[in-house]
Amino acid sequence: EVQLVESGGGLVQPGGSLRLSCAASGFTFSSYWMSWVRQAPGKGLEWVANIKQDGSEKYYVDSVKGRFTISRDNAKNSLYLQMNSLRAEDTAVYYCARDDVVPAAMNGWFDPWGQGTLVTVSS
Amino acid sequence: AIRMTQSPSSFSASTGDRVTITCRASQGISSYLAWYQQKPGKAPKLLIYAASTLQSGVPSRFSGSGSGTDFTLTISCLQSEDFATYYCQQYYSYPRAFGQGTKVEIK
Repeated sequence: EVQLVESGGGLVQPGGSLRLSCAASGFTFSSYWMSWVRQAPGKGLEWVANIKQDGSEKYYVDSVKGRFTISRDNAKNSLYLQMNSLRAEDTAVYYCARDDVVPAAMNGWFDPWGQGTLVTVSS
Repeated sequence: AIRMTQSPSSFSASTGDRVTITCRASQGISSYLAWYQQKPGKAPKLLIYAASTLQSGVPSRFSGSGSGTDFTLTISCLQSEDFATYYCQQYYSYPRAFGQGTKVEIK
């Protein structure tokens, strides 16, 4: 069974840092692009970042560029999101998701998703 | 960036109803569109990709259509477990973008 389990969320002050982790199992992690998607309380979904199988390509939504860094460790079947200079508007549940990428578009959809980890940025 | 707009934002329906949700892209995205279902407190679940391809395990009462800028998600006979929020998502270009969601409530 494919499983994604996020951890590392919590309460952090504005300007602080947090590192999220996602442990993957049940599939060949090194064969897939991976993404982070977030959802602010009571709001819709927002894609945050994704990373290619070997880590050589990374994409970010403009609002986190220069503050967040996505990375992976294929030996540990793990995905990470380093979040620096956190703002109140970064408060959200952060989901880890496996990408299904269409080669022609180098882009794709999310399936499956983890259960999410809550990040709260507040003083 | 491509913007995705869903309509309606919410509506009420009864079990057994046929319901349709619309998603419009701000520019053409070919068939690079996915649909998700999300229930309260749960992660989203993929229903459809490539605008009309049903994900394995998803009931056949769900269907998707459209290409270019206009897309629809149809539930042919609404079941109690289908009351949820539905999102479309384009993957034609970065940044990937979701619609704002459509909440289907019980009448």
